[in-house]
Amino acid sequence: DTGVSQNPRHKITKRGQNVTFRCDPISEHNRLYWYRQTLGQGPEFLTYFQNEAQLEKSRLLSDRFSAERPKGSFSTLEIQRTEQGDSAMYLCASSFTGGNTGELFFGEGSRLTVL
Amino acid sequence: AQTVTQSQPEMSVQEAETVTLSCTYDTSENNYYLFWYKQPPSRQMILVIRQEAYKQQNATENRFSVNFQKAAKSFSLKISDSQLGDTAMYFCAFMMNPTFYSGGGADGLTFGKGTHLIIQP
Repeated sequence: DTGVSQNPRHKITKRGQNVTFRCDPISEHNRLYWYRQTLGQGPEFLTYFQNEAQLEKSRLLSDRFSAERPKGSFSTLEIQRTEQGDSAMYLCASSFTGGNTGELFFGEGSRLTVL
Repeated sequence: AQTVTQSQPEMSVQEAETVTLSCTYDTSENNYYLFWYKQPPSRQMILVIRQEAYKQQNATENRFSVNFQKAAKSFSLKISDSQLGDTAMYFCAFMMNPTFYSGGGADGLTFGKGTHLIIQP
């Protein structure tokens, strides 16, 4: 297993367009997280899944954002009608609750630029 | 809600020197973990070191060690014999112990704003 994989790595889009990011977690990990990181800031929690269930969403996640994790494997994060304020790095992370170490394993992120 | 504060936006030291990054946090909980994560330029975030709040002994990982002061809610990272490859953003993070708290969302991992560490040759 090569770790958490995110695609695409970079996305440039025009305001108003929809974008979708994909995350493939480490295969045995049952939790999957989405974070958003803007320049000069630490990652901010957006949402997380345990297996296929989306258990929590941040109030940062407006109605234009939707995330899915069908079958408890990969996850997608879709942003509809993008706005310039959506420009950020979107980080995916996964973890295994069985070990209870709390460690999250991060992907390299998907950078979104909205023109 | 928990908060994590890193008061040093940027630090610069010479190679081989020792550097200490500061972190304070605020919580009313008693069972939690603290982490330092490293984010090199254009690369993914990786765990540097982890501390369980119930352990009094400070965690160490090779050149990396922490000074955990639970009463003061302080969690600093010391990097000894710094190397060029240590240049990165360093984030302090707080997580409630999943053994005691089933929630993993907003309480799952709270990050500070980061410290940009530059190791000069």
